[in-house]
Amino acid sequence: KAGVTQTPRYLIKTRGQQVTLSCSPISGHRSVSWYQQTPGQGLQFLFEYFSETQRNKGNFPGRFSGRQFSNSRSEMNVSTLELGDSALYLCASSPQGEMSSPLHFGNGTRLTVT
Amino acid sequence: AQSVTQLGSHVSVSEGALVLLRCNYSSSVPPYLFWYVQYPNQGLQLLLKYTSAATLVKGINGFEAEFKKSETSFHLTKPSAHMSDAAEYFCAVSGRSDYKLSFGAGTTVTVRA
Repeated sequence: KAGVTQTPRYLIKTRGQQVTLSCSPISGHRSVSWYQQTPGQGLQFLFEYFSETQRNKGNFPGRFSGRQFSNSRSEMNVSTLELGDSALYLCASSPQGEMSSPLHFGNGTRLTVT
Repeated sequence: AQSVTQLGSHVSVSEGALVLLRCNYSSSVPPYLFWYVQYPNQGLQLLLKYTSAATLVKGINGFEAEFKKSETSFHLTKPSAHMSDAAEYFCAVSGRSDYKLSFGAGTTVTVRA
């Protein structure tokens, strides 16, 4: 089985722009989560989707949004980019989203905001 | 709310020596606990998980962890370090219906030849 695929791997944007990141989960997995990783704040939860429904959201401003499609693929969008949004964005999937099941992570999208 | 604290942001060990990474959790209910490893420029890979079955959990690459409720700990060990163990390690916790993981700050392991 192919793993979690995130595109693009690297992205450079300018302050004020918006960006969309994409995630394709492992085939058959219906839960997709997003995490932000920075040197200062570590790994922080952004949101989780299951069957196109957001079940949980982290403590991030409204500029961060996401969605999940009927084929379980997910996108996250960040509008009005700030320098502090520079980070590695990780997507993870699991079969049903039960927390007893481990998350399978992609290699991330590294976003640099200049 | 669940949280974890990893003691020590950096650990340096000699090849062949014991690796011990400390993690303490805070949870109002029996949690799910995980250890993940991250190599440079990669995502996180699961090492092992505790889901209320056996308290001693064996994972991949010779790692194991013991769940100690009385100490609220879930320390990760490996008897003999290998150069390939150099990476960053994260302890994580989840409640049963959180739909999210809360991660510790991470511990970077360096292995000396």
